[in-house]
Amino acid sequence: QQQVKQSPQSLIVQKGGISIINCAYENTAFDYFPWYQQFPGKGPALLIAIRPDVSEKKEGRFTISFNKSAKQFSLHIMDSQPGDSATYFCAASLGTGGFKTIFGAGTRLFVKA
Amino acid sequence: DAGVIQSPRHEVTEMGQEVTLRCKPISGHNSLFWYRQTMMRGLELLIYFNNNVPIDDSGMPEDRFSAKMPNASFSTLKIQPSEPRDSAVYFCASSLLSTTGELFFGEGSRLTVL
Repeated sequence: QQQVKQSPQSLIVQKGGISIINCAYENTAFDYFPWYQQFPGKGPALLIAIRPDVSEKKEGRFTISFNKSAKQFSLHIMDSQPGDSATYFCAASLGTGGFKTIFGAGTRLFVKA
Repeated sequence: DAGVIQSPRHEVTEMGQEVTLRCKPISGHNSLFWYRQTMMRGLELLIYFNNNVPIDDSGMPEDRFSAKMPNASFSTLKIQPSEPRDSAVYFCASSLLSTTGELFFGEGSRLTVL
């Protein structure tokens, strides 16, 4: 019930294309759904996040779509750039302060120039 | 602003040796998390503290692992004795209890147990 399932495991996208990463969760008590971006040799860093009372959140080229009834959420990267090549993790947590944040398995994105 | 500081960045040790990883959270943050990252298992939450008190250590793999937070500015993760399967990158993260839930990660400690 604590799992967050993420797909695909890896993704190759042409420069300018749309990258889409999907996640699903089971525990309906989760109330914060962040996406983290990780570059090699670095720790994950928050990219964008959403709460379940909102169906979509957009920040620049990054958009989260959230489907509460299906218990699914996804990250869309518009106009993907080579600099977006990184590993992306979806996550879910309970309460504020990042209580018990559970991460998906990660998606390695490669954007071809 | 200083972020989360972890040391050592790299550690190579032999099986059976004691390993101590250190973390200094962001000043003012009152939650601290230890994660382990491997290719096979991804990012696993090992333990987290609120206001220096361990809240949930259900992710600690076994009794060989222990974590302490003696004060608000320092935490350790100890493995004794270490085994080759403990080889991983260990991340420390901190956050502020009253805010959105964003975790601020350090750059990690890469542990290799031979």
